[in-house]
Amino acid sequence: EDQVTQSPEALRLQEGESSSLNCSYTVSGLRGLFWYRQDPGKGPEFLFTLYSAGEEKEKERLKATLTKKESFLHITAPKPEDSATYLCAVQARSGEAGYQKVTFGTGTKLQVIP
Amino acid sequence: GAVVSQHPSWVICKSGTSVKIECRSLDFQATTMFWYRQFPKQSLMLMATSNEGSKATYEQGVEKDKFLINHASLTLSTLTVTSAHPEDSSFYICSARSRRTGGELFFGEGSRLTVL
Repeated sequence: EDQVTQSPEALRLQEGESSSLNCSYTVSGLRGLFWYRQDPGKGPEFLFTLYSAGEEKEKERLKATLTKKESFLHITAPKPEDSATYLCAVQARSGEAGYQKVTFGTGTKLQVIP
Repeated sequence: GAVVSQHPSWVICKSGTSVKIECRSLDFQATTMFWYRQFPKQSLMLMATSNEGSKATYEQGVEKDKFLINHASLTLSTLTVTSAHPEDSSFYICSARSRRTGGELFFGEGSRLTVL
């Protein structure tokens, strides 16, 4: 069974204090790893897709990296507006041919304090 | 690009009534649409996967007769919660996968259902 574990569950940072969020995964046949941002009462907002180990993607203060077992979301000099829950998801091929399932982690709730 | 619209954003209904939630991909054709349910402080739970023109594939434990999914076109999927009860109150989110992109999902804004 595909598993996605995110840590920490919650993270509180001072504005400007850089840190990383972790996403560990166990899947058979990884097709892609996604990072999303979710604000309270809203649907997740797509951030990045990573396909293979060693790949990196950047967007403003966020940088996502991928290894064969985990992914990191690095936040450099965060601002209060970066406060949100960050979700990691993996796409893998299920038992049925052509059916690719996406499994989500439980997320890391980030709070950036001014 | 890759905008998904979900409607209504919130709905309150009486127990026993049915509620329909629409999910539209506004600027792309969605080969597959997914319906998720999210409880407070929990992650997304996949309910079902629907492909245009075919029957939805439901996850284990999700009642097919309770949660009716119709994917009539490449841009529209609907979720109908039939004979809703208070335990069906939740946040329902749809997502769509584009033919053009690499498989990432684009989400609607979600629909908050409260059953009295």
